[in-house]
Amino acid sequence: NAGVTQTPKFRILKIGQSMTLQCAQDMNHNYMYWYRQDPGMGLKLIYYSVGAGITDKGEVPNGYNVSRSTTEDFPLRLELAAPSQTSVYFCASSRTGGQPQHFGDGTRLSIL
Amino acid sequence: QQQVKQSPQSLIVQKGGISIINCAYENTAFDYFPWYQQFPGKGPALLIAIRPDVSEKKEGRFTISFNKSAKQFSLHIMDSQPGDSATYFCAASITSGTYKYIFGTGTRLKVLA
Repeated sequence: NAGVTQTPKFRILKIGQSMTLQCAQDMNHNYMYWYRQDPGMGLKLIYYSVGAGITDKGEVPNGYNVSRSTTEDFPLRLELAAPSQTSVYFCASSRTGGQPQHFGDGTRLSIL
Repeated sequence: QQQVKQSPQSLIVQKGGISIINCAYENTAFDYFPWYQQFPGKGPALLIAIRPDVSEKKEGRFTISFNKSAKQFSLHIMDSQPGDSATYFCAASITSGTYKYIFGTGTRLKVLA
């Protein structure tokens, strides 16, 4: 089993560019999450989804958008990249809300 | 009230020693407290978790101690090994709600050989 797969692993963007971070899970989990990790700040929840077609904001949603058209995929969209969005982004999934979250290996994004 | 405060920020322990990482929370509605281990270049991985109906949970060399009245919980790593060198995150969640995790800021552990 691949678990949670994130692509790309690394990316450099210019200010104002757009991109989509991909996340796929093969565990048939209903819940999926996007976090950003900044040095010394822990993980902050950006968006989450409790099932296909259902998404909601987390702690730091500004500048991001998500969609969930299938159980497996939960892409994160940056529309107008800003230097403040330089971070490591992690996608996670869980079977239900009360179950442990499984994380991917992250996308390291730099915006210059 | 949604914060989870984690300390220390970094920790150096000799091989064979005990590593202790502490977390404190304010929201008494939290009822699930997992610990995650993260190696460089990897995502966090669940290490051990506890619910507030028990005061201690042990899995191998890893133990969570939970003090409900003080709203604190801690991770103890017994017989620490160089392979335990990683960043550790505590988290808290309300399982009857939206199940969102609130993470601590992390502790970077280095175990010297």
